[in-house]
Amino acid sequence: GAVVSQHPSWVICKSGTSVKIECRSLDFQATTMFWYRQFPKQSLMLMATSNEGSKATYEQGVEKDKFLINHASLTLSTLTVTSAHPEDSSFYICSAQSIPGLAGGYEQYFGPGTRLTVT
Amino acid sequence: EDKVVQSPLSLVVHEGDTVTLNCSYEVTNFRSLLWYKQEKKAPTFLFMLTSSGIEKKSGRLSSILDKKELFSILNITATQTGDSAVYLCAVLDDKIIFGKGTRLHILP
Repeated sequence: GAVVSQHPSWVICKSGTSVKIECRSLDFQATTMFWYRQFPKQSLMLMATSNEGSKATYEQGVEKDKFLINHASLTLSTLTVTSAHPEDSSFYICSAQSIPGLAGGYEQYFGPGTRLTVT
Repeated sequence: EDKVVQSPLSLVVHEGDTVTLNCSYEVTNFRSLLWYKQEKKAPTFLFMLTSSGIEKKSGRLSSILDKKELFSILNITATQTGDSAVYLCAVLDDKIIFGKGTRLHILP
């Protein structure tokens, strides 16, 4: 099946520093990738939609200058949390959308997530 | 406003019981409905549904979509303790919209 990887799995950083999270589709091409954050015992919250070769579309309330998204190729999207603060501590998950198959549907495959702790 | 509503929010049953999880939606440009199971880490994919009335099955899990009434159900028969998880429903239109999930706990 389709595999999506994220790197790193876990990161601890100091307040004020920037952290980059990578999301890769390993065995398929993904024109669209999504970035989510999840707080404990809550559902996934979509942050932004990342399309290869174009600017990301951010959800309302998500600061685009703070959460920089780059989708430079069909297999890689990156999320950079700039000037991180303790309230940015969360579980960040990406998903990659496959190209429609014969059934016409769009399948989503999730990465394993990155746990960010800002001290 | 596009939305995905799951019910119940939480469910506790005994091992061996059958459960039905519900997902209703209102979106502008429906493409697919997806079900996921989430334990401790990122969600794992269960089903993708695009057409009405066609049941998808995987072992003890099955799901069906009704595009006229705008809902889907996920059935789990002969539940086991390993089925305990949060089950997420998501709808893909121009973007992906998740429901809040149903937290299922199976008692031994």
